[in-house]
Amino acid sequence: EPEVTQTPSHQVTQMGQEVILRCVPISNHLYFYWYRQILGQKVEFLVSFYNNEISEKSEIFDDQFSVERPDGSNFTLKIRSTKLEDSAMYFCASRDSSVQPQHFGDGTRLSIL
Amino acid sequence: DQQVKQNSPSLSVQEGRISILNCDYTNSMFDYFLWYKKYPAEGPTFLISISSIKDKNEDGRFTVFLNKSAKHLSLHIVPSQPGDSAVYFCAASAIGYGGSQGNLIFGKGTKLSVKP
Repeated sequence: EPEVTQTPSHQVTQMGQEVILRCVPISNHLYFYWYRQILGQKVEFLVSFYNNEISEKSEIFDDQFSVERPDGSNFTLKIRSTKLEDSAMYFCASRDSSVQPQHFGDGTRLSIL
Repeated sequence: DQQVKQNSPSLSVQEGRISILNCDYTNSMFDYFLWYKKYPAEGPTFLISISSIKDKNEDGRFTVFLNKSAKHLSLHIVPSQPGDSAVYFCAASAIGYGGSQGNLIFGKGTKLSVKP
């Protein structure tokens, strides 16, 4: 069964550094998402992406965040200047139509030191 | 703000019995509801969904019930198996509303333990 793939599984970064989290969505999917889960808290929506542009974003998704689909298969989340509070699990998800469920990757654990 | 609430952080059930997980929501614009299962170190795995035009959806051992007037949904697992032990998340979205791309609002999850 097709899967959403995320790399790396764990990323350790110094505060203030830039980090790029990578995702390969399921190949025929059209809608792409990033979520995060801070330890002990609920999964929170960050951003949705459709037709090569951001379609919705949450309050969390401020100017330090950006997303890109550089080559038609990868979907990346960039955090420009990381802060301690960015430490979380980041999940990528995708779906193929408006009434289909989102399928999630296994996440990247981001640790900011 | 907690638009989606799962008030039971944990539930313990004997193997073979029914597990009932509950979820409440506050936003009347939600029209699509999902249940996900999550094991440690893995992403959420889709289990079952229901559209607001239905009140029940069944898939094997899993049934989701939706009570729109009460803004309440529940997931029934019967019979429960030890492999069902995981954290279960309820999620909701407002797909039918213009401009929405279906981003999910999650509850905090309920940890289900099925004892042999």
